[in-house]
Amino acid sequence: EAGVTQSPTHLIKTRGQQVTLRCSPISGHTSVYWYQQALGLGLQFLLWYDEGEERNRGNFPPRFSGRQFPNYSSELNVNALELEDSALYLCASSSLGSAGWNTGELFFGEGSRLTVL
Amino acid sequence: KQEVTQIPAALSVPEGENLVLNCSFTDSAIYNLQWFRQDPGKGLTSLLLIQSSQREQTSGRLNASLDKSSGRSTLYIAASQPGDSATYLCAVRHSKLTFGKGITLSVRP
Repeated sequence: EAGVTQSPTHLIKTRGQQVTLRCSPISGHTSVYWYQQALGLGLQFLLWYDEGEERNRGNFPPRFSGRQFPNYSSELNVNALELEDSALYLCASSSLGSAGWNTGELFFGEGSRLTVL
Repeated sequence: KQEVTQIPAALSVPEGENLVLNCSFTDSAIYNLQWFRQDPGKGLTSLLLIQSSQREQTSGRLNASLDKSSGRSTLYIAASQPGDSATYLCAVRHSKLTFGKGITLSVRP
């Protein structure tokens, strides 16, 4: 069974540009999470989508946005890129969980490494 | 606001040692706690998931425990090997998933 897949794996952009990152969850998983991991910092929660709806959002400016498609895949869009947006962007997916809502195990992709010059 | 702490930030041990990695959290109202492993530049690999109603989970040489009332979890690694060298992160699930900053483990041959 395929795991969580992310694309692209690496990309380089310049300040002010826009980028779209893509994530395909594990088959059967309805929830998708996005995290930012900047060098030397921990994982910072960006967005959570479930059943096509945005369920929660981290403390990031509005230029970070995303969506979830009917097939549960997801996109993360970052507009007006800044140098500090350089990071590894990780996507994770989970199922409902045997103990109910929000209890499923999370599985992560390998990430998209974004460098902003 | 939920805060997750992992101390120390780095740990170096000789091969064969049994070791314990600690994770503490401030709000005990959690759904579950998950331990991950991350190799440099890679994504996170799930190691163990403990639901809030459970006390521990085991997988091979790994055992994780959860004490919600005291806001603590431990990851026990038996007979450590150089291949165990990685960063180990714990994460608690409440309205979202909050991560600790991880413990970078180095197992010396």
